[in-house]
Amino acid sequence: AQSVAQPEDQVNVAEGNPLTVKCTYSVSGNPYLFWYVQYPNRGLQFPLKYITGDNLVKGSYGFEAEFNKSQTSFHLKKPSALVSDSALYFCAVRDMDTGRRALTFGSGTRLQVQP
Amino acid sequence: EPEVTQTPSHQVTQMGQEVILRCVPISNHLYFYWYRQILGQKVEFLVSFYNNEISEKSEIFDDQFSVERPDGSNFTLKIRSTKLEDSAMYFCASNTQGGGYTFGSGTRLTVV
Repeated sequence: AQSVAQPEDQVNVAEGNPLTVKCTYSVSGNPYLFWYVQYPNRGLQFPLKYITGDNLVKGSYGFEAEFNKSQTSFHLKKPSALVSDSALYFCAVRDMDTGRRALTFGSGTRLQVQP
Repeated sequence: EPEVTQTPSHQVTQMGQEVILRCVPISNHLYFYWYRQILGQKVEFLVSFYNNEISEKSEIFDDQFSVERPDGSNFTLKIRSTKLEDSAMYFCASNTQGGGYTFGSGTRLTVV
């Protein structure tokens, strides 16, 4: 079975400070990992995805994600937060080795960036 | 950038009625999906569709639900005899063999 845990319901950070949104996953094979962002009344947009390769994945709008196989984590990071980054963030995983294509999502973390 | 288009953006229906949610996936994508998000909860997988048939479905996707690709562009989710607990945001998604999943903006279904 595949699963995702996002341990923080909400993360608060001041504008200009670095941000981290945590995600850990569980799959039996190799993971295919994503971060999605959801703004109010909008769909799921993906700034980041990871298949295999470098442990630091760079995405849109200055976001990056750090893959750590030994800790089964895929934390979302940004060096300097903006107020406009405030949104709901979802981590998602798919097991590359099972043939299943369904994504399993975490429960989401609300990021609040204060001016 | 290509988009997945969903219509309508908001649908209100009476309990017991049938609804059809529509999606236009990205034209060169081969795999299509429906997910739902009950308000305040996580996004849940419903069904995946490939080569004109269901390839995978979750426990949520029972006989009340059906999917169809009636022509070369549309992908629909039909919910028969809607219940109050079907109220949710429904997302359509599509992708290629090894590509990322592109999601639509969703249809908010409200069952009253």
